[in-house]
Amino acid sequence: EPEVTQTPSHQVTQMGQEVILRCVPISNHLYFYWYRQILGQKVEFLVSFYNNEISEKSEIFDDQFSVERPDGSNFTLKIRSTKLEDSAMYFCASKRTAADTEAFFGQGTRLTVV
Amino acid sequence: AQSVTQLDSHVSVSEGTPVLLRCNYSSSYSPSLFWYVQHPNKGLQLLLKYTSAATLVKGINGFEAEFKKSETSFHLTKPSAHMSDAAEYFCVVSDPRRHNNNDMRFGAGTRLTVKP
Repeated sequence: EPEVTQTPSHQVTQMGQEVILRCVPISNHLYFYWYRQILGQKVEFLVSFYNNEISEKSEIFDDQFSVERPDGSNFTLKIRSTKLEDSAMYFCASKRTAADTEAFFGQGTRLTVV
Repeated sequence: AQSVTQLDSHVSVSEGTPVLLRCNYSSSYSPSLFWYVQHPNKGLQLLLKYTSAATLVKGINGFEAEFKKSETSFHLTKPSAHMSDAAEYFCVVSDPRRHNNNDMRFGAGTRLTVKP
């Protein structure tokens, strides 16, 4: 069964360092999303991406964040200069079409900023 | 604006007894509603979804949920808990008009513990 895969499963980084979280969406999906979940808090929307551009972004998604689909299969989230409060579980999701109500989620990347 | 409230942060049941995880939603439009499950170190797996068809929705692993518009509720139930049901459960509301944007709002989650 096709699935969304995320790497790495756990990343530890020092404050101020850049990190790239990687996602491989399901191959025929066209709509991509990043969400994050700070420990003990809700899953929050970060950004949606379609047709090689951002469709919508939340207030959380400031200039430190960027997304890219560099090669037609990967979908990456970059945090330029990590802060302690960026520590969270980051989920990637994808949908095949806009009409699909269900998004498929990856297993998440746990980012720990020290 | 749409939102979802999961009324219990933690539910503990004994194996073989019924499970009830409560979810209330707020939406200005006819929403789509989902329950996702997250096992430790795993991704979010869809249990079931409501998309304006039958109000009683059956999902995987014996779970079901009933959409009650009058009560703005979408509670998740299972007649008999199994040890493997222990996980975090998320109720999610979606505005079907906003498919390609941020159309999903997550509840805070309910941690289900199943005692032997």
